[in-house]
Amino acid sequence: AQKVTQAQTEISVVEKEDVTLDCVYETRDTTYYLFWYKQPPSGELVFLIRRNSFDEQNEISGRYSWNFQKSTSSFNFTITASQVVDSAVYFCALIPTGTASKLTFGTGTRLQVTL
Amino acid sequence: DAGVIQSPRHEVTEMGQEVTLRCKPISGHDYLFWYRQTMMRGLELLIYFNNNVPIDDSGMPEDRFSAKMPNASFSTLKIQPSEPRDSAVYFCASSLGGGRAYEQYFGPGTRLTVT
Repeated sequence: AQKVTQAQTEISVVEKEDVTLDCVYETRDTTYYLFWYKQPPSGELVFLIRRNSFDEQNEISGRYSWNFQKSTSSFNFTITASQVVDSAVYFCALIPTGTASKLTFGTGTRLQVTL
Repeated sequence: DAGVIQSPRHEVTEMGQEVTLRCKPISGHDYLFWYRQTMMRGLELLIYFNNNVPIDDSGMPEDRFSAKMPNASFSTLKIQPSEPRDSAVYFCASSLGGGRAYEQYFGPGTRLTVT
């Protein structure tokens, strides 16, 4: 069975601050995918990134960056120069390869960015 | 391209009534998933289909829940009879097959309230 832990329930930052959302996972599978999703106040779930367990390269997309460390089973997400529009609940998730089904989600981290 | 479409967006019904939630996946996607989100349990996979065939319904809470996918562009999730504890946000998601089977794109959700 898989488990995804997002220990930070809620984070509040002031606009322009950098913020890192933590994600730690457990799986017995040797190959898997990791994801981050964003759920803004409007409620939809927005796909942000997929990372294959083979690929430990960090990724940057604009103000977003992801740090995948297999040795510590972590897949952390950093927002640089946060903006009010970043306010949302962010979910980390995991799926073993070979099963396009059971996406295991963490409990989410609520990020509040204020002026 | 249109994303995953769900209807209705909000549903309020009385206990004992039948509820039908609808989903149109992204055109060309082979997989369709139904999730439920509650404060207590987070995001849970209820059932998923591959090429219109139900593959895993182990997440369906009980016999009151049923899901169908009569064709590649339409799926329903039915609750009969509904109960207050069914109140939740129900998400439909779809994904491509093959190596892209792991990127699930979510619809806006249906917020169900059973009184």
